[in-house]
Amino acid sequence: GENVEQHPSTLSVQEGDSAVIKCTYSDSASNYFPWYKQELGKRPQLIIDIRSNVGEKKDQRIAVTLNKTAKHFSLHITETQPEDSAVYFCAAIPNSNSGYALNFGKGTSLLVTP
Amino acid sequence: DTGVSQNPRHKITKRGQNVTFRCDPISEHNRLYWYRQTLGQGPEFLTYFQNEAQLEKSRLLSDRFSAERPKGSFSTLEIQRTEQGDSAMYLCASSSPVAGGPSYNEQFFGPGTRLTVL
Repeated sequence: GENVEQHPSTLSVQEGDSAVIKCTYSDSASNYFPWYKQELGKRPQLIIDIRSNVGEKKDQRIAVTLNKTAKHFSLHITETQPEDSAVYFCAAIPNSNSGYALNFGKGTSLLVTP
Repeated sequence: DTGVSQNPRHKITKRGQNVTFRCDPISEHNRLYWYRQTLGQGPEFLTYFQNEAQLEKSRLLSDRFSAERPKGSFSTLEIQRTEQGDSAMYLCASSSPVAGGPSYNEQFFGPGTRLTVL
């Protein structure tokens, strides 16, 4: 089965700095990689995703990069703001056309200090 | 609210009791998933439905757990003879049916049901 590793487990940055969270996966057949943001006591919310046919995707201050050869993908948040503080989860699905379950990393707790 | 909804939001029960949770997915989504999340961890997959068919079950889903989606719309998750280790947030998610479409695998989560077993 798929195994998703996520680092770091905690990350503290100053407002305006960039934050990078990295994930690796084990199943080379995986080709859908979403990132979720979860604020305390709230539901996970999809913030960006990437499929294996592209290497990078950007949405305003958020970007995701994918290296299929190395089996890793990363979330980049630029110009961080205090409201970016939350737990971020990466995930992978073995085959994006299967509708199978998401396998999540253990999460990164991001703290953005003013 | 057109998102995924779950009821109840909180459930406190005594060990050994049975509990049932309900999930209402986004109306046009035919795939429905159940996950469990414990403190400090990512969600862990339990089971998923395509329409009314339960297509996959995790090894985490012991025989005390059962899920149904009788008409392919809402789903229920029942836990029998609850144990303290069942205490967790139970999350439901749904996704779009359009194979190969731009949002095909996007899973939208409900607010969860927090279960506390005393």
